[in-house]
Amino acid sequence: KAGVTQTPRYLIKTRGQQVTLSCSPISGHRSVSWYQQTPGQGLQFLFEYFSETQRNKGNFPGRFSGRQFSNSRSEMNVSTLELGDSALYLCASSLELSYEQYFGPGTRLTVT
Amino acid sequence: AQSVAQPEDQVNVAEGNPLTVKCTYSVSGNPYLFWYVQYPNRGLQFLLKYITGDNLVKGSYGFEAEFNKSQTSFHLKKPSALVSDSALYFCAVRGSGGYNKLIFGAGTRLAVHP
Repeated sequence: KAGVTQTPRYLIKTRGQQVTLSCSPISGHRSVSWYQQTPGQGLQFLFEYFSETQRNKGNFPGRFSGRQFSNSRSEMNVSTLELGDSALYLCASSLELSYEQYFGPGTRLTVT
Repeated sequence: AQSVAQPEDQVNVAEGNPLTVKCTYSVSGNPYLFWYVQYPNRGLQFLLKYITGDNLVKGSYGFEAEFNKSQTSFHLKKPSALVSDSALYFCAVRGSGGYNKLIFGAGTRLAVHP
């Protein structure tokens, strides 16, 4: 089975721009979660989607948003980018009622 | 509030020696605990989990973890370290409200020397 895929792998944006990141979960997985990883804050939960519904949200400003499509693919969007948004954004998928999450390789976002 | 602590930023071990990476947790209710490993420029790989049952959990790549409720610990162990085990290790607990929100520790860098 193919793993979690994330596109693009690397992205450079300018402050004030917006960005959309994409995640394709493992086939059959309907839950998708997003995390931000930075050297200063570590790994922080952004949000989780299941069956196109956001089930849980972390403590991030409203500039961070996401959605899930009927095929379970998910996108996250960050508007009005700030320098502090530079991070590795990780997507994880899991089966319904399962506990372990499987992570993709991440998208490295650099904001200049 | 749920939290996870990994008290060591780095652990150094000689190849062939046993290794331990420490993790303590704070949760309300039953803990759901996880270990993940991250190699450079890669995402996180699932190693093992504790949900309920036997306190010694066996996982991938020869790793195991010991759940200790009285000490609120979930230490990761391996009997004989390999150089290829060198990586960043994260302990995590499932957050309150259920579902799939994971709260991670700060991570411990494991360096295995030949």
